Amino acid sequence: GIQVEQSPPDLILQEGANSTLRCNFSDSVNNLQWFHQNPWGQLINLFYIPSGTKQNGRLSATTVATERYSLLYISSSQTTDSGVYFCAVSQAGTALIFGKGTTLSVSS
Amino acid sequence: DVKVTQSSRYLVKRTGEKVFLECVQDMDHENMFWYRQDPGLGLRLIYFSYDVKMKEKGDIPEGYSVSREKKERFSLILESASTNQTSMYLCASTGTGGSYEQYFGPGTRLTVT
Repeated sequence: GIQVEQSPPDLILQEGANSTLRCNFSDSVNNLQWFHQNPWGQLINLFYIPSGTKQNGRLSATTVATERYSLLYISSSQTTDSGVYFCAVSQAGTALIFGKGTTLSVSS
Repeated sequence: DVKVTQSSRYLVKRTGEKVFLECVQDMDHENMFWYRQDPGLGLRLIYFSYDVKMKEKGDIPEGYSVSREKKERFSLILESASTNQTSMYLCASTGTGGSYEQYFGPGTRLTVT
């Protein structure tokens, strides 16, 4: 099956710093999503980005499908950005395959 | 906005009880999924359904069953709850044409004592 690897596993930042999270996947996919899991456990959709680049406020994401990786950029990080970030992929409406996540801690 | 709701945020049940977890989506999505999330094991697929009355086993179906009588509702059933089913349960849905974006409910944190 498809393998999804995220790096780094843990990231500690000071408020205001920028960061880049990476997701590598082992096969072609129709769907790639980035999620933020909040303290209550809910998965919040950040980006649906099977290819190309998108931006939403301080967050942006880029997927290079031909090279099988995606990047999530967080600029001017805030304490509320803390939590676990997941990358997940799927093919044509099938179940998502998740990476192990990146745990981000932002301190003031 | 797509909305996926789950019947309970927190649930405490006793060993041997029959447990029903309900999930409802309002976007006419064909595909619905149940995952569980455990520390160190990540998110794993229990069952999914691609149409009413249709279901497919995921990676860890043992001890679970599902029901999909209506398109918008997908139920997960623990026939006889056991302590190793203590977990976070997440329901999701997605369409099959155009966008494959998957949307998740808020989750149910189940404790079996």
